Amino acid sequence: DGGITQSPKYLFRKEGQNVTLSCEQNLNHDAMYWYRQDPGQGLRLIYYSQIVNDFQKGDIAEGYSVSREKKESFPLTVTSAQKNPTAFYLCASSISAPGYSGNTIYFGEGSWLTVV
Amino acid sequence: AQSVTQLDSQVPVFEEAPVELRCNYSSSVSVYLFWYVQYPNQGLQLLLKYLSGSTLVKSINGFEAEFNKSQTSFHLRKPSVHISDTAEYFCAVSGPPTGGFKTIFGAGTRLFVKA
Repeated sequence: DGGITQSPKYLFRKEGQNVTLSCEQNLNHDAMYWYRQDPGQGLRLIYYSQIVNDFQKGDIAEGYSVSREKKESFPLTVTSAQKNPTAFYLCASSISAPGYSGNTIYFGEGSWLTVV
Repeated sequence: AQSVTQLDSQVPVFEEAPVELRCNYSSSVSVYLFWYVQYPNQGLQLLLKYLSGSTLVKSINGFEAEFNKSQTSFHLRKPSVHISDTAEYFCAVSGPPTGGFKTIFGAGTRLFVKA
């Protein structure tokens, strides 16, 4: 079945470490996204990518980095510069821009990151 | 700036009772409106969306939402809820004002259905 696979589901990070969250999609979607979810705050956009080898900062990009070397893959690195990284991270994709045609965003199952 | 306000953070309701989850958005131009549902420890999935045309849109599991342009609202309703409807519901808006790739999500409403 087509979908979005995120791994790992649970990840623990020590202070000062960088960690990478994996995201793979087989929906053949051009656009991919990373969101951060904190209780009571909804979803906040970290980065998005319209096409391979291109990505743009979202609303809370500081302390995060991404790459888009393949259409199906959009990994997120949480760097040591991110001071409060404990959260639920959601990877998502859409066939094209939701804002121009109302396209649905499809989400992965999410990854929990905890700083220990 | 665009914004989405979900007026209730939690809504407890008994099984088989009706429910309404309220959503207001700010925009002076046409936008697309969505309701997504999130079950515990899972990602979000689309429940229904309004793009254009009929202002009443329905999902396959009995939810419906009505677009009200004059009140800038997109409230979600179900006439009779089930235990399995317990989840968090997010209202969202996208459109030219938000930028092509930015969807604005509300803070979520946690629906808790009691037996």
